[in-house]
Amino acid sequence: GQQVMQIPQYQHVQEGEDFTTYCNSSTTLSNIQWYKQRPGGHPVFLIQLVKSGEVKKQKRLTFQFGEAKKNSSLHITATQTTDVGTYFCAGRGNEKLTFGTGTRLTIIP
Amino acid sequence: DAGVTQSPTHLIKTRGQQVTLRCSPKSGHDTVSWYQQALGQGPQFIFQYYEEEERQRGNFPDRFSGHQFPNYSSELNVNALLLGDSALYLCASSRRRQSYEQYFGPGTRLTVT
Repeated sequence: GQQVMQIPQYQHVQEGEDFTTYCNSSTTLSNIQWYKQRPGGHPVFLIQLVKSGEVKKQKRLTFQFGEAKKNSSLHITATQTTDVGTYFCAGRGNEKLTFGTGTRLTIIP
Repeated sequence: DAGVTQSPTHLIKTRGQQVTLRCSPKSGHDTVSWYQQALGQGPQFIFQYYEEEERQRGNFPDRFSGHQFPNYSSELNVNALLLGDSALYLCASSRRRQSYEQYFGPGTRLTVT
């Protein structure tokens, strides 16, 4: 079945540094979504990418969808303490949404 | 406008028992999906309901079943509970069966002893 992996599993950064998480699918995706889950909370939808090579920005967050529609990345510029949480990608292949393994981001003040 | 609500918040059950979890979707949403999230892992898709029918199913045994009511609310039932069923159960609603944006509820924390 479809598998979605993310790296790294954990990332500790100093406040103000940049952060990137990478998502790779075993199969071609029709679209990919990104979610953020704060500690003790539930996933919150951030964005969806649909087109090959698509790039979208939300303030300090930049999302990319690969040309082959099998990988994606999320980049955060100048991290802040409010960015703490686990970031999940979720790929839609055969109509089902498969969540990645997540990258847990911690910020060192 | 209320978001997705789930009940109960926490639940403790014994192996072999049965449990029912409930979800009310966000106003205007007609599709409900259920996920299981074990500690430290990503949500795993259980199934999705639309127009009161199960439309998609993940790799979960038949012990996991569900229902959707005419008002779009949904229930998740798990029979013959196993220790491994301990997890956070998340309900997510969206506007249509293959909608892009899912709104998650706060989840039900199930502990099986």
